Amino acid sequence: SQQGEEDPQALSIQEGENATMNCSYKTSINNLQWYRQNSGRGLVHLILIRSNEREKHSGRLRVTLDTSKKSSSLLITASRAADTASYFCATQGAQKLVFGQGTRLTINP
Amino acid sequence: DADVTQTPRNRITKTGKRIMLECSQTKGHDRMYWYRQDPGLGLRLIYYSFDVKDINKGEISDGYSVSRQAQAKFSLSLESAIPNQTALYFCATSDPSANLATQYFGPGTRLLVL
Repeated sequence: SQQGEEDPQALSIQEGENATMNCSYKTSINNLQWYRQNSGRGLVHLILIRSNEREKHSGRLRVTLDTSKKSSSLLITASRAADTASYFCATQGAQKLVFGQGTRLTINP
Repeated sequence: DADVTQTPRNRITKTGKRIMLECSQTKGHDRMYWYRQDPGLGLRLIYYSFDVKDINKGEISDGYSVSRQAQAKFSLSLESAIPNQTALYFCATSDPSANLATQYFGPGTRLLVL
């Protein structure tokens, strides 16, 4: 069964707006990662946040982690057409990554 | 990621046929993984290998087998393909001594079982 559950399943916004995606999980984790997948292609790692971190930034990406609520969010600021993709959270336990079902993000021009 | 390659990229086969999907990596990573992705779903782990002599079942290993021929090569076999194995298959690698097991994915193999 999937560890991470993402919300919303699909998100459509205008170029230039911010996009926020959420991820909830069930068990304790070592870290949480976010990946992007362009249509039909391999996943690309975006950012990793450790269990003892609360916020992390990378360019236009901001990730937060609340271990008490077992949830994380990914914020993409000033969205661009090229950000159109599916975004997956993945939780790292003892050995393996477990992926959520993803959020399909569409950026409209 | 060009450092992880998968062959073939697309494959059509018939029910009952045996097929092999191959994965090669030049990243020098010890850990390799096979996942399948179904439309609208995330990735599910089929098998993983932490080194050449280590093979572990994942979440959905039934109907699949793997072979780790070398550090750089990890093959996935469907002994007798069935239509519900139609999916997108990904190979991935990681180096736990580096960045906390970030995974690097191949481009995927799209498999259709008729």
